[in-house]
Amino acid sequence: QKEVEQDPGPLSVPEGAIVSLNCTYSNSAFQYFMWYRQYSRKGPELLMYTYSSGNKEDGRFTAQVDKSSKYISLFIRDSQPSDSATYLCAMSAEDSNYQLIWGAGTKLIIKP
Amino acid sequence: NAGVTQTPKFQVLKTGQSMTLQCAQDMNHEYMSWYRQDPGMGLRLIHYSVGAGITDQGEVPNGYNVSRSTTEDFPLRLLSAAPSQTSVYFCASGRRGPQETQYFGPGTRLLVL
Repeated sequence: QKEVEQDPGPLSVPEGAIVSLNCTYSNSAFQYFMWYRQYSRKGPELLMYTYSSGNKEDGRFTAQVDKSSKYISLFIRDSQPSDSATYLCAMSAEDSNYQLIWGAGTKLIIKP
Repeated sequence: NAGVTQTPKFQVLKTGQSMTLQCAQDMNHEYMSWYRQDPGMGLRLIHYSVGAGITDQGEVPNGYNVSRSTTEDFPLRLLSAAPSQTSVYFCASGRRGPQETQYFGPGTRLLVL
């Protein structure tokens, strides 16, 4: 079993829909949770960053961390075609020198 | 600022050949790392460095060497290329460590025949 599980998709939704992307993990020591967005043939870029539990909102994006369920989510409101990309979750813990453990990524397609 | 730059963008090698993938950053970041990205497997850490002269192994270090003689540069050397090393390679840098924002380069696509 992988430490971080993420459905690879693709997930295809119409423009304007609310998108929910998720990752589950097995290591209860994870404290730092990140979502990176990767456009085709580009490097990943940080989208959202959360320390420990709770919610964080930035414009149309909301990141949630539920440590009791070992589950993190990224919500995208009013999705746009420009949101079409692969979304990678990553997480780290102090006891492993904060090295990032990555999900496989979910490919998201927003249809105009 | 150019950010993180990688060269070459694309390379074809024959089995047994060696090559160096170049990575440079102009943000004065202490932490630099190399990942490989394969379909369905996410990013896997090859080697990382927490400062000039300090490097360490990641999850998949076999077949790769690194050095960090300056803060700016972090080259990755493939010693004797194998088809299993066909992948997309990303270099990343962060101010102090991986728990902070990582800035990625555009990647190098490597094909080993």
